[in-house]
Amino acid sequence: DTAVSQTPKYLVTQMGNDKSIKCEQNLGHDTMYWYKQDSKKFLKIMFSYNNKELIINETVPNRFSPKSPDKAHLNLHINSLELGDSAVYFCASSPEGLADNEQFFGPGTRLTVL
Amino acid sequence: DAKTTQPTSMDCAEGRAANLPCNHSTISGNEYVYWYRQIHSQGPQYIIHGLKNNETNEMASLIITEDRKSSTLILPHATLRDTAVYYCIARQSSGTYKYIFGTGTRLKVLA
Repeated sequence: DTAVSQTPKYLVTQMGNDKSIKCEQNLGHDTMYWYKQDSKKFLKIMFSYNNKELIINETVPNRFSPKSPDKAHLNLHINSLELGDSAVYFCASSPEGLADNEQFFGPGTRLTVL
Repeated sequence: DAKTTQPTSMDCAEGRAANLPCNHSTISGNEYVYWYRQIHSQGPQYIIHGLKNNETNEMASLIITEDRKSSTLILPHATLRDTAVYYCIARQSSGTYKYIFGTGTRLKVLA
């Protein structure tokens, strides 16, 4: 059983397009995250949602808009894609309310903007 | 969140213990030390975490110095499948629980 799943696994698109990446977790967690890992392999948090409410927004361009229809899903929509958006995007989830909990990461979505 | 410093890369012979150091000299009293690893661009995988005491689980042991300024992750019997990038993270025990990943240590286990 996949705990945190992402679709698609690979996404190749042209500059200026709008695309979405979907994330689902079946762990019953309350908190979900989006991370970006660039070509230099730096892994950086972008957003976090807790029970469908935004709690972390790390100065990400407003072309990126996370949407959480329910606490099991956190989708990432990107408008007007730019070359610099090419990266691997990871979704993660964690239980709420525990200071020392771990995060469970999805397999990643490799986005290539041409 | 405290900044962590790790060596860029390390090698370890298969079957031997791999000892991965991490420096977190500015860690505060409410920050946990977490270790994750990332195998070949897969999603990061949780290994272990601790606050003050040494910890052990089925994957590894975590040794935290008494002053909490540094720690060591120990993989007791490294296998080829342990080849990965290992991240040491200091994270607050309250607030938004966000991780700040550094550059990590690239561990190569050699046959």
